[in-house]
Amino acid sequence: GAVVSQHPSRVICKSGTSVKIECRSLDFQATTMFWYRQFPKQSLMLMATSNEGSKATYEQGVEKDKFLINHASLTLSTLTVTSAHPEDSSFYICSAPLGQGYNEQFFGPGTRLTVL
Amino acid sequence: GENVEQHPSTLSVQEGDSAVIKCTYSDSASNYFPWYKQELGKGPQLIIDIRSNVGEKKDQRIAVTLNKTAKHFSLHITETQPEDSAVYFCAAKESGGGADGLTFGKGTHLIIQP
Repeated sequence: GAVVSQHPSRVICKSGTSVKIECRSLDFQATTMFWYRQFPKQSLMLMATSNEGSKATYEQGVEKDKFLINHASLTLSTLTVTSAHPEDSSFYICSAPLGQGYNEQFFGPGTRLTVL
Repeated sequence: GENVEQHPSTLSVQEGDSAVIKCTYSDSASNYFPWYKQELGKGPQLIIDIRSNVGEKKDQRIAVTLNKTAKHFSLHITETQPEDSAVYFCAAKESGGGADGLTFGKGTHLIIQP
C-alpha cells in the first residue's frame, strides 16, 4: 500500500510559539492531502484540504490564520500551528489519496502536539 | 453535511467469537465507505472499504455490508484474535475522486478477551 510519513512524531512547545508539522507521500504523488485533528478518545475531525499549487480549503470553524497550510510540492504538505495554546494540544494526522479518481486515503502515523 | 453515527462505542468479545460494528450515514450522496483500524498512538489503517454499487465485500476474516436504502453499513470480524483489539472507525464520503475528506464515526473500542 501507499506510505505517508509525518514529522515530527511528537513535539512539545511553549504557549505562544509556532510549530510546523510535515506530511510526505513517500511512494506516490499527492495533489491533495488532508489534515485531521484527533482529541484523546475521540474521532478524527477534518480540518482542511491541502491543494498543491493553490490555497487550502478549511472546514467550518477552523481558523485559517492559526493553522497555516502549505502544499509545497506533489509529495509534501506542511501544517503550521501558529501561536499555539494548550487547547491546541492534540493528535494531528494527515492523509492522502493515491490520486485523482482514487477514493482510498492513506494516513500518516500522526503527530502528538503538547503545548505547555 | 454528512453525519456518521457508529455503535457500539465499546465492544468486548471472547477470542474466537465474531464482532459486529454498525454505522449509519445521513447524506444520500455518499457512496464510498471505508473502515479503519487505529492502534494506540498510531494513525488509522484502512482495513476494508465498500462502494455503493455493491452490497457486500469480504477479505478473509473481515467483511463489510452496505444497505444503501437504509443508509447503514456494518463491519463483521469473524474468529477474532487478540491482535484485533483496537479502535475501529467507519467513514463516509462522496465517491468520484480524491478531492473530498472523510467524515468519521466516533469509533468503537474492540476488546478481545482471551
